[in-house]
Amino acid sequence: DAGITQSPRHKVTETGTPVTLRCHQTENHRYMYWYRQDPGHGLRLIHYSYGVKDTDKGEVSDGYSVSRSKTEDFLLTLESATSSQTSVYFCAISESIGANEKLFFGSGTQLSVL
Amino acid sequence: SQQGEEDPQALSIQEGENATMNCSYKTSINNLQWYRQNSGRGLVHLILIRSNEREKHSGRLRVTLDTSKKSSSLLITASRAADTASYFCAPAGGTSYGKLTFGQGTILTVHP
Repeated sequence: DAGITQSPRHKVTETGTPVTLRCHQTENHRYMYWYRQDPGHGLRLIHYSYGVKDTDKGEVSDGYSVSRSKTEDFLLTLESATSSQTSVYFCAISESIGANEKLFFGSGTQLSVL
Repeated sequence: SQQGEEDPQALSIQEGENATMNCSYKTSINNLQWYRQNSGRGLVHLILIRSNEREKHSGRLRVTLDTSKKSSSLLITASRAADTASYFCAPAGGTSYGKLTFGQGTILTVHP
């Protein structure tokens, strides 16, 4: 999957616990994204990053925070997990945006919040 | 950001037949992209068509774009069982600049 590793691949956690998902890339791409995929909603953008320490909110960012201290790593944190955050989470990277933008996706993390 | 809406939601065909999926969007774009998702996997980029292009080919894929109707179509010719997947369009540009979002996709099933 284009040098993108998501960890963990599966996680089960309890409501109220903090959870951190990691996305690691070896492509040295500047742009990184976190999406969640749920039945009936398609893929929705949670947060994105245009570079180290440069992040911004997507359309469903409530309850999530992100950090990017290195080009290769983009962390997604659920500060206090809720059952509504049970989902499949995908990380994506892009070398550029605009006319030639193209996303490469990781394999996803299946998160279950009980 | 805008997302495309794919139609139909599901499509079932026999191997060897052609499959056509449609995408509609609402605002101006720089380009429109199509992605495929196999079950349990991440999305894979298939093809990108720029706003000044009307048609583009890649192997068995043919994409058309009509900016006046704000619509695109993806044609897969001579479908194979391995083409079974979900297909998503992603209009890019305007409010979606650098922030692609995806609809629910078209689920294509190709029967051997």
